[in-house]
Amino acid sequence: KAGVTQTPRYLIKTRGQQVTLSCSPISGHRSVSWYQQTPGQGLQFLFEYFSETQRNKGNFPGRFSGRQFSNSRSEMNVSTLELGDSALYLCASSLGGLAGGLQETQYFGPGTRLLVL
Amino acid sequence: AQSVTQLGSHVSVSEGALVLLRCNYSSSVPPYLFWYVQYPNQGLQLLLKYTSAATLVKGINGFEAEFKKSETSFHLTKPSAHMSDAAEYFCAVRHSSNTGKLIFGQGTTLQVKP
Repeated sequence: KAGVTQTPRYLIKTRGQQVTLSCSPISGHRSVSWYQQTPGQGLQFLFEYFSETQRNKGNFPGRFSGRQFSNSRSEMNVSTLELGDSALYLCASSLGGLAGGLQETQYFGPGTRLLVL
Repeated sequence: AQSVTQLGSHVSVSEGALVLLRCNYSSSVPPYLFWYVQYPNQGLQLLLKYTSAATLVKGINGFEAEFKKSETSFHLTKPSAHMSDAAEYFCAVRHSSNTGKLIFGQGTTLQVKP
C-alpha cells in the first residue's frame, strides 16, 4: 500500500498570501489529521477530518481551515500568512471510526515545509 | 487534561551504549501511548505503542518501552545504540475522545557518537 502523500513538499510564500496544502491518506483510511511542527512550539494538533466532517479542532486562529473530500483526500488552507506560520505541516491518516479505537496507529506523511518571507 | 513530558531535550550516547529516553504522562483515564521517531526532513514513523495488552512493548529497530502505571512513565530503551538511531524521538498520548488527536511531548534529540 502506498503511504500518506503530501504535496507540495516545499513552499515559499510572502506575508499576506494564502496557501493550500494537500494530503492523500492511505487507501481505505477515512480519518485525516493535520499537525504543525515548529522548533519553538513542537508538534501541535490543527484539526481532524473524518468522512468529510471536521471531528476535532486545535487551538489555532480561523485563518487555518481545512476540508476533506469524498475520496478522503484533505486540504488545509492558511489565509493571510504571517511569518510565524513558517513550519513543517504534517498530515496523518488512520482508519478512524469506532473500529479503530484509541489504540489505532496514525501514519504520517513526509510533510510540507512552508517558509513565509 | 492529558499530557506527556519528555525529560531531556538532548541525549547523547556512544555507539553500542544503552539508549534511555524518558517520557512521563498525565492522564485521568487509561492512556494510549505512542513513541514516534523523526529523521531529518522526514515525517514521523511509529516505533511502538502501548495498548494495555502488555506492559513491556517491543517495537521496530530493537526499541522497547515499559509502561509503569505507578510511575506514570513510558520510557523508551534500546540495549545498544547504532549510528542510524540518531534522530528526534517523540512520545505521544492519544486524546481521550475517540478522535485522531495525538498530544505530543516536546521531543528528544538523540545523538550517537562513534
